[in-house]
Amino acid sequence: AQSVTQPDIHITVSEGASLELRCNYSYGATPYLFWYVQSPGQGLQLLLKYFSGDTLVQGIKGFEAEFKRSQSSFNLRKPSVHWSDAAEYFCAVVPSSGGYQKVTFGTGTKLQVIP
Amino acid sequence: DTGVSQDPRHKITKRGQNVTFRCDPISEHNRLYWYRQTLGQGPEFLTYFQNEAQLEKSRLLSDRFSAERPKGSFSTLEIQRTEQGDSAMYLCASSSLWENEQFFGPGTRLTVL
Repeated sequence: AQSVTQPDIHITVSEGASLELRCNYSYGATPYLFWYVQSPGQGLQLLLKYFSGDTLVQGIKGFEAEFKRSQSSFNLRKPSVHWSDAAEYFCAVVPSSGGYQKVTFGTGTKLQVIP
Repeated sequence: DTGVSQDPRHKITKRGQNVTFRCDPISEHNRLYWYRQTLGQGPEFLTYFQNEAQLEKSRLLSDRFSAERPKGSFSTLEIQRTEQGDSAMYLCASSSLWENEQFFGPGTRLTVL
C-alpha cells in the first residue's frame, strides 16, 4: 500500500531563515505529489504539485519542492520564512495510474515561526 | 465560483445523537470525496462519488456512517449514534474528471460530548 512519511512532526524556525520540510513516499510507481498547507481550524490549501517533467516545481507563497526519484522524496523548501507561514504542512500522493484519485496524506509537519 | 463549501462549520453533539453534514462542491466537478482528520493526523479517505454513484468506501466508514450524493451535486454525510471517537474534522473535496487536483472545503469540526 502506498504511504507518505513526514519525519518531522514539529519544526521551529526563525523568521527570515530558510525552511525545508521532508517528505518520503512509498509506492510502486511514481505517484502524483502534492504539498498542502492548513492553518488552524481551516481546510487545506494547495501549495504546489508535481505530475511529471521538471523536478523542481514552484508553488504559491514563495514555496518550491524538488522531486528526487532515487530517494522517493519530495521536500518542500522556502528560502526565507515569514511569520504568516506558521501552519501545518501536509505532503500527499495520488496514484498516477488513472481512475479516481484517492489522496494519501502524511501525518503533517507543524511549523512554528519565531521572531 | 466560490469553491467547495461545507455546512455547518462546527457541530457539537451529545453521544448517541445523529448528525448530518453537507458539502457543496465546485459546480462543474463530477468527483466528490470525504475525508476525516483527527487531531495530529493527516486527513484519511472515507468515501468517493463520481456523479451520484458512490464508488468506494473506506473501512473507516462504519455502518453508522452513510453518505449520499442524490443528484450528483451536493453531498451529505450522516453519522448515526455518534461516539466520542467520531470527534474530528470532516473534510470534503471535489475535482473534475480530467484534473488530478482536489479542491478542499473548510471542513466541519465535530465534537461529541
